[in-house]
Amino acid sequence: AQSVTQLGSHVSVSEGALVLLRCNYSSSVPPYLFWYVQYPNQGLQLLLKYTTGATLVKGINGFEAEFKKSETSFHLTKPSAHMSDAAEYFCAVSDDSNYQLIWGAGTKLIIKP
Amino acid sequence: GAGVSQSPSNKVTEKGKDVELRCDPISGHTALYWYRQSLGQGLEFLIYFQGNSAPDKSGLPSDRFSAERTGGSVSTLTIQRTQQEDSAVYLCASSLFQGGAYEQYFGPGTRLTVT
Repeated sequence: AQSVTQLGSHVSVSEGALVLLRCNYSSSVPPYLFWYVQYPNQGLQLLLKYTTGATLVKGINGFEAEFKKSETSFHLTKPSAHMSDAAEYFCAVSDDSNYQLIWGAGTKLIIKP
Repeated sequence: GAGVSQSPSNKVTEKGKDVELRCDPISGHTALYWYRQSLGQGLEFLIYFQGNSAPDKSGLPSDRFSAERTGGSVSTLTIQRTQQEDSAVYLCASSLFQGGAYEQYFGPGTRLTVT
């Protein structure tokens, strides 16, 4: 069975600092991996996804993530945090045999001025 | 184009009452999902519709919960005899096709408060 682990329910960084949100997954078959962002009182919005091909995936708002099969990870990064990045971030996994997304518990990103 | 819409945006109801939550998916999207998000929690899958196939109801927490999708488009999630533990944000998402590689597009959610 697939599962997703997001390390840290809350991550706090200073404005301008590197953002690193961790996601590890388990899957017995090649996975599809997603990062979604949820701003306060809004639905979820896709940041980026990995399906096949290049393992470094670039998304919206300057975020990127790298699929590392050997580490079963799909960590989300952004070189310089902005106040507008404050939100909750969810990692999710699926595969060709599963139409459902398996969700991590989410990480709330806090940006300090 | 128009995104996924949900109504109402907020619903306050008394314990024991029935509620109906509505979801309008993106036109042409064949897959539709309902999730529940409790305060500070991740997403809990409730039910999945794909075209004319029988829905996957495996996530519904009790028989008080039901959902239907009419004409392959609009969906309604019904909660009967609401309980306080039903208080949560109910999110609807649609996807162009069935399949793990296709992203889900989310509505803004309905915040349900049971008093």
